[in-house]
Amino acid sequence: EVQLVESGGGLVQPGGSLRLSCAASGFTFSNYWVSWVRQAPGKGLEWVANLNQDGIEEYYVGSVEGRFTISRDNAKNSLYLQMASLRAEDTAVYYCARVSHYYYQYMDVWGKGTTVTVS
Amino acid sequence: DIQMTQSPSSLSASVGDRVTITCRASQSISSSLNWYQQKPGKAPKLLVYAASNLQSGVPSRFSASGSGTAFSLTISSLQPEDFVLYYCQQSYSSTWTFGQGTKVEIK
Repeated sequence: EVQLVESGGGLVQPGGSLRLSCAASGFTFSNYWVSWVRQAPGKGLEWVANLNQDGIEEYYVGSVEGRFTISRDNAKNSLYLQMASLRAEDTAVYYCARVSHYYYQYMDVWGKGTTVTVS
Repeated sequence: DIQMTQSPSSLSASVGDRVTITCRASQSISSSLNWYQQKPGKAPKLLVYAASNLQSGVPSRFSASGSGTAFSLTISSLQPEDFVLYYCQQSYSSTWTFGQGTKVEIK
């Protein structure tokens, strides 16, 4: 079964750091771009970051640029999001997603999410 | 950044109704537009990719079209499980953006 499972969420004080993990299974992880998407309580979806297959190309939403770092370990089939200088507005459910493409990219497999609370 | 605007933000309809949700991009994004469905407390689910391609397993009552700056998602006959949230998302630029979401409610 194709699956993504996030972990590492929790309660952290403003200014603190946290590392989220996403374990992939059921597909060849190293063949895919991957994404992090978040959703603040009662709000819509916000794309956070993308990373290509070999971990070289990375892109971020402006609000996290310089504070968050996306990375991967293909040998461990794992994706990470290192979050630093956390703010109250970073409070959200964080989802990891697999990125497929058909002329254009899309997120076709999602994890169930992990909750980050900055307070 | 490319801004995505969905309309309406919410709509009320009955089981069996036909509804259409629209999504507009602030600049041309060709066909790089995806639609997701989100049920309460759950992760989003891909419905449509590249503007008009139904994801495997998605019921045929869902359809989508558009290109450039204007896109739409149509549900031909609403079923009880369709009364949830829908989001559009562009993948044209290197930084992606979602629309604000459309909540489909039971009338």
